[in-house]
Amino acid sequence: DTAVSQTPKYLVTQMGNDKSIKCEQNLGHDTMYWYKQDSKKFLKIMFSYNNKELIINETVPNRFSPKSPDKAHLNLHINSLELGDSAVYFCASSQTGTGIMNTEAFFGQGTRLTVV
Amino acid sequence: LAKTTQPISMDSYEGQEVNITCSHNNIATNDYITWYQQFPSQGPRFIIQGYKTKVTNEVASLFIPADRKSSTLSLPRVSLSDTAVYYCLVSRDDKIIFGKGTRLHILP
Repeated sequence: DTAVSQTPKYLVTQMGNDKSIKCEQNLGHDTMYWYKQDSKKFLKIMFSYNNKELIINETVPNRFSPKSPDKAHLNLHINSLELGDSAVYFCASSQTGTGIMNTEAFFGQGTRLTVV
Repeated sequence: LAKTTQPISMDSYEGQEVNITCSHNNIATNDYITWYQQFPSQGPRFIIQGYKTKVTNEVASLFIPADRKSSTLSLPRVSLSDTAVYYCLVSRDDKIIFGKGTRLHILP
């Protein structure tokens, strides 16, 4: 039973299109994330949602919009896709603690987006 | 969050112990030190986390000196399947920020 699942695994689309990537976690975690990993393999955090509230938005173009219908889902919608959006997108979840507690993040298998 | 610095790449041989050191000079009191492993075409996977001194689990050990300005991930008796990228993170609550990682290549 997959803990963090993303769909689709591969996505090939043309410039200018709008696409969505779905993410679901069955761990009961209260925080979900989206990361982008480019061709140089740098993992950059894009968004973080805690209990359906956006708490990080790391200088991501507003063409990217996360949508969280409930605590178990964090979907990523991308408008007007550009060539530079080609990358692997990872969804993750964690259970944040209080004070200085810190817990591990669980990652999905990734969605390889190719914009042509 | 504190910036982390780790070697870009390392090579080792099967059966050896591998130590990867990470520096985090500006670590804050509330920060934990966490290591992740990433295989090609997969998402990162949590390996180990610590706050100070030594932590050991079934996969690795993590050594953290008293000043916490660095940490060392130790992988005992590596195998070819340990070839991966290893990320050192300084993280706090929900702020999980990755650095550039160390590409570890295990040779037969």
